[in-house]
Amino acid sequence: DAGVIQSPRHEVTEMGQEVTLRCKPISGHNSLFWYRQTMMRGLELLIYFNNNVPIDDSGMPEDRFSAKMPNASFSTLKIQPSEPRDSAVYFCASSSLGRSYEQYFGPGTRLTVT
Amino acid sequence: KNQVEQSPQSLIILEGKNCTLQCNYTVSPFSNLRWYKQDTGRGPVSLTIMTFSENTKSNGRYTATLDADTKQSSLHITASQLSDSASYICVVSVATGANNLFFGTGTRLTVIP
Repeated sequence: DAGVIQSPRHEVTEMGQEVTLRCKPISGHNSLFWYRQTMMRGLELLIYFNNNVPIDDSGMPEDRFSAKMPNASFSTLKIQPSEPRDSAVYFCASSSLGRSYEQYFGPGTRLTVT
Repeated sequence: KNQVEQSPQSLIILEGKNCTLQCNYTVSPFSNLRWYKQDTGRGPVSLTIMTFSENTKSNGRYTATLDADTKQSSLHITASQLSDSASYICVVSVATGANNLFFGTGTRLTVIP
């Protein structure tokens, strides 16, 4: 199994630009999570999908952030417009049993907004 | 207020030595507690997951303990290796509520030869 796949691994963009992060969960997993990690705040859960449906988006910081999961094998996290404070590592994780059980993390996307 | 606190913030030990990392939480109602290992530049990897009824769980040289009464957990690493150098993150899940995952800020462990 290839594990959770994220792309790109690194993204550098200018303030105001749109950024799209992509995730392919482990095949057969029905739960998908987007996280943000910074030195100051650690890991933060942004949004959680179950069977492609957003269940909890209370962690999404503001309307500039949006996430979609059009099918069981693909999800995107979009930031529009991006700001320097969005600079962080964004992780995608998947699970076969929902949020309370073991999650498998991807390698992350390091986003730098200048 | 639901919180997860980890200590120490960072730790340096000699290769071959043992160490213990602490996690205290005020999360309620408790569902489960997980320890993750995160190598630099990589995503977290699950080490253990414990429910209310479990006191101890081992994964190789890693042993996690849970005291649900005092709301404390520890992660003990035996005979440390250079590859144990990483951040260790404690995550507590509550049984109800919309946002039911609470993360510690992690302990940064460095094992030196």
